[in-house]
Amino acid sequence: QAQLVESGGGLVNPGGSLRLSCAASGFIFSDFYMGWIRQAPGKGLEWVSYISSSGSTIYYADSVKGRFTISRDNAKSSLYLQMDSLRVEDTAVYYCARKYYAMDVWGQGTTVTVSS
Amino acid sequence: EIVMTQSPPTLSVSPGERATLSCRASQSISSNLAWYQQKPGQAPRLLIYSSSTRAAGIPARFSGSGSGTEFTLTISSLQSEDFAVYYCQQCNNWPLTFGGGTKVEIK
Repeated sequence: QAQLVESGGGLVNPGGSLRLSCAASGFIFSDFYMGWIRQAPGKGLEWVSYISSSGSTIYYADSVKGRFTISRDNAKSSLYLQMDSLRVEDTAVYYCARKYYAMDVWGQGTTVTVSS
Repeated sequence: EIVMTQSPPTLSVSPGERATLSCRASQSISSNLAWYQQKPGQAPRLLIYSSSTRAAGIPARFSGSGSGTEFTLTISSLQSEDFAVYYCQQCNNWPLTFGGGTKVEIK
């Protein structure tokens, strides 16, 4: 069955960088739009970035524009999120998810903590 | 960007009772609305897509309705496992956006 597994989270100082990865299996990765959605402690879901199946169309939330970069490698069935100039307010669980009619497959999430 | 507004923020319901959750879009999204359930420490789970279609494995007590800008998720008879936070998401226009959530708690 379709599965997504995130990795790469951790503790980082403000201003630092992290690269999140999301490994997909059980479906044809190159057929689907993908997204990163985050959830700050005690808060709701916030979309971060989406990428089309080919990678040609990308969306970023205003809160991360210019600092985060989404990418994908269809040959490796993997999704990435490069996070630079991290801020305390970027602290959250980051989920990758597959878009079909809706976000129908989610990973378990990876925790990013930005703190000095 | 389409703004999604959910109400109420918290809903207190007794087990076995009906729960009705609302979601409003800032502009028409046809029937392109999804509902998710999230329990503490877990990833969201897709319940409903296209406003009223249950995702695989979702019990029939969950139903969705609405079109345009007004949508409703109904849980006909709340079970203990249904106490959770519910989010709506519009899937009509990119970027896809979420509502703020409704927490369904035990009364």
